[in-house]
Amino acid sequence: QSALTQPASVSGSPGQSISISCTGTSSDVGSYNLVSWYQQYPGKVPKVMIYEVSKRPSGVSNRFSGSKSGNTASLTISGLQAEDEADYYCCSYAGSRTLVFGGGTKVTVL
Amino acid sequence: QVQLQESGPGLVKPSETLSLTCTVSGGSIISTTYDWGWIRQPPGKGLEWIGSVYYSGRTYHNPSLKSRVTISVDTSKNQFSLRLTSVTAADTAVYYCAREPGGDWLDYWGQGTLVTVSS
Repeated sequence: QSALTQPASVSGSPGQSISISCTGTSSDVGSYNLVSWYQQYPGKVPKVMIYEVSKRPSGVSNRFSGSKSGNTASLTISGLQAEDEADYYCCSYAGSRTLVFGGGTKVTVL
Repeated sequence: QVQLQESGPGLVKPSETLSLTCTVSGGSIISTTYDWGWIRQPPGKGLEWIGSVYYSGRTYHNPSLKSRVTISVDTSKNQFSLRLTSVTAADTAVYYCAREPGGDWLDYWGQGTLVTVSS
């Protein structure tokens, strides 16, 4: 079970859209529509933004959306705002009731 | 509103056993809908899923830690616990407990507790 691959950093200007990729294998991302995304501010608890590839929990802005193609999932943030600057982690079901995280992506708002 | 709270020693000596407990309030740990999981985050690094437990006591583990990890549940106290044996400095991390709907994502998290491994 290897960690999912995410870019170390992604940046964008306010109002722009950015996407964060999360690449796994046919044993995790590619086999299940069970990818979730978490936002984490420094020193704070992670917060789920997307679950089961594209579902948004109640209270999460519709500027956040998720998708998946093959072994790669993506989180898109539209209308980027200063408050979106944080670390983002993807997570996938990996079979046998186990989960695997990505290495995390730091989003910077220019 | 479900709340989770980790508790346990903040300092553990190398080669000893790390023990943490997660107390669940605002809801019962006896549920067919949820697993109850442990996640850790070394300082300045990413998240790592450690494992989870179902209310029946069935457990699931990260293969890379399985030989050192024991996760258990005490339904009478609405708690679940983590034991990690033979710790080293690499096990220094913030340890979180969380609820896992369907065992495939994490919706409610504890505040996290920093455990430092040092002599």
